[in-house]
Amino acid sequence: AQKVTQAQTEISVVEKEDVTLDCVYETRDTTYYLFWYKQPPSGELVFLIRRNSFDEQNEISGRYSWNFQKSTSSFNFTITASQVVDSAVYFCALSQYSGGGADGLTFGKGTHLIIQP
Amino acid sequence: ETGVTQTPRHLVMGMTNKKSLKCEQHLGHNAMYWYKQSAKKPLELMFVYNFKEQTENNSVPSRFSPECPNSSHLFLHLHTLQPEDSALYLCASSQGGDLETQYFGPGTRLLVL
Repeated sequence: AQKVTQAQTEISVVEKEDVTLDCVYETRDTTYYLFWYKQPPSGELVFLIRRNSFDEQNEISGRYSWNFQKSTSSFNFTITASQVVDSAVYFCALSQYSGGGADGLTFGKGTHLIIQP
Repeated sequence: ETGVTQTPRHLVMGMTNKKSLKCEQHLGHNAMYWYKQSAKKPLELMFVYNFKEQTENNSVPSRFSPECPNSSHLFLHLHTLQPEDSALYLCASSQGGDLETQYFGPGTRLLVL
């Protein structure tokens, strides 16, 4: 069975602070992908990043960065110099390889990030 | 129109009603998904269709009936729902292979009275 844990239910920071969202996953497979999605109040999940299990390089995209560590089964997400527009619920998700085609994602419960002006 | 669209965006129905949710993707994908998002619960996968064939039914009650007439359209037919079925229903699509990125629509917010 696979599982994604986002222990932080809600985080509140003041604008311009850096903030890290934690994600810990469990899977027995060696081939899998990890994802981060953003859900603003409008409800739509916006894809942010995909990382495969064989690529542990950290990634940076503007103010966003991701740290993937297989040794601790973690895929953490950092926002640098946070802005009010970053306020949303952020989901970490896991997809396992089944060999049968499309598979559903296993999501964490999400972290509600509040950026105060 | 681009991306994944869902209609209606909001729906209120009684427990004896029959209604349908519609999802359309304009991304040329081959797989489509239904997810349920209830308050304080993780997103739950309901159904997966790959090349119009249902490949996964995640133990969903029969009062939810999916239909996928082609790779671009996905429906969720609702019948005799319960108040606990009130939730945000999200549709997603992806290429048909393993481990592909899923792109989501804006969701239908359903309230069952």
